Amino acid sequence: AQTVTQSQPEMSVQEAETVTLSCTYDTSESDYYLFWYKQPPSRQMILVIRQEAYKQQNATENRFSVNFQKAAKSFSLKISDSQLGDAAMYFCAYRRTTSGTYKYIFGTGTRLKVLA
Amino acid sequence: NAGVTQTPKFQVLKTGQSMTLQCAQDMNHEYMSWYRQDPGMGLRLIHYSVGAGITDQGEVPNGYNVSRSTTEDFPLRLLSAAPSQTSVYFCASSYSGGIYGYTFGSGTRLTVV
Repeated sequence: AQTVTQSQPEMSVQEAETVTLSCTYDTSESDYYLFWYKQPPSRQMILVIRQEAYKQQNATENRFSVNFQKAAKSFSLKISDSQLGDAAMYFCAYRRTTSGTYKYIFGTGTRLKVLA
Repeated sequence: NAGVTQTPKFQVLKTGQSMTLQCAQDMNHEYMSWYRQDPGMGLRLIHYSVGAGITDQGEVPNGYNVSRSTTEDFPLRLLSAAPSQTSVYFCASSYSGGIYGYTFGSGTRLTVV
């Protein structure tokens, strides 16, 4: 069974600095999708970035980028120029590509604090 | 606003009571899911649907029922509430089965006393 591990329950970053959140996963499959979701205090889950495992290139969305290391089964999120609005819980998620599979497997989350 | 609407946002139930959490989406998404979020455990899938009239169980389905009579609505029913069902519940929808991500509702915080 696939598992997703976020080993950092909480991280802090100074405003305007860069922070990296870690995520590792366990799977025997070669093709899958990975996601980072942000959950601010409003509680709503917001998609930050996605990565397709068969693509070598790391995904980037403005100040957010990933370091996808397929062999190491690692999928870290880098937030550059951190802003106060980045403070939230961040969840890493995995989805198989197998037909008929629709569920995500989520990690336990990392709480990011942004210090002014 | 387009998106996934969940009601109520907060609810307190007594043990043994039943209730329905409502979920509606206006994006014509085929795929809809219910997750529960518990401290230290991430989100876990309760039930999901791939279209009107089609539902299936996720990893924690016990104590919950769902139905999907229309594309827009996917209610979650608690049959006889238990303290172990105290959680935050999220409804999510997608046109792609989640390949490009799910759109989540704002959640329902349920407390069972």
